[in-house]
Amino acid sequence: DVKVTQSSRYLVKRTGEKVFLECVQDMDHENMFWYRQDPGLGLRLIYFSYDVKMKEKGDIPEGYSVSREKKERFSLILESASTNQTSMYLCASSFSGRETQYFGPGTRLLVL
Amino acid sequence: AQSVTQLDSQVPVFEEAPVELRCNYSSSVSVYLFWYVQYPNQGLQLLLKYLSGSTLVKGINGFEAEFNKSQTSFHLRKPSVHISDTAEYFCAVKDYQGAQKLVFGQGTRLTINP
Repeated sequence: DVKVTQSSRYLVKRTGEKVFLECVQDMDHENMFWYRQDPGLGLRLIYFSYDVKMKEKGDIPEGYSVSREKKERFSLILESASTNQTSMYLCASSFSGRETQYFGPGTRLLVL
Repeated sequence: AQSVTQLDSQVPVFEEAPVELRCNYSSSVSVYLFWYVQYPNQGLQLLLKYLSGSTLVKGINGFEAEFNKSQTSFHLRKPSVHISDTAEYFCAVKDYQGAQKLVFGQGTRLTINP
């Protein structure tokens, strides 16, 4: 079974803090994705990566950056957290050229 | 660019009743279509997908969906729901070529009442 894990299920941070969300997959997938999920808006893509050290902006990259130093790990960074970044963050991965994405359990982030 | 519209944000049904969750998409190119389910406090799990071939696709947990190209729809159905089907359901599309990313609809919250 594919396993995608995220470092925290719940996180509380203060405005202005730098926040790291970690995602690890164990299936040697080339592609990795970060989404945020908000009620009534579904999932929106923040960034994705199709290889180590490669990244591409998704639909809502503002206020976020990413890092992929190893194939199995994809980090989402909030350089200076703001209250409007309070959300559920979901990581996913897939094989290159394959359609199915596999999701982690999500991190619910609250920024105070 | 693709877009997905899930026509109902919430659908309440009684246990053992049939259910249909509606999904319409917009795209200038051919697409793959997906339904994902999110149970409370969990990530998303693939229910079923349409890639090509038969327009009626069967998935896990007794769900099925029908691809209708002329109506650009991919509605999800189950003939008899169970309490355990209570979850949020997301429709998504991906174009045949180009980026690997999925475009999701807004989600439909399915509530099953006893």
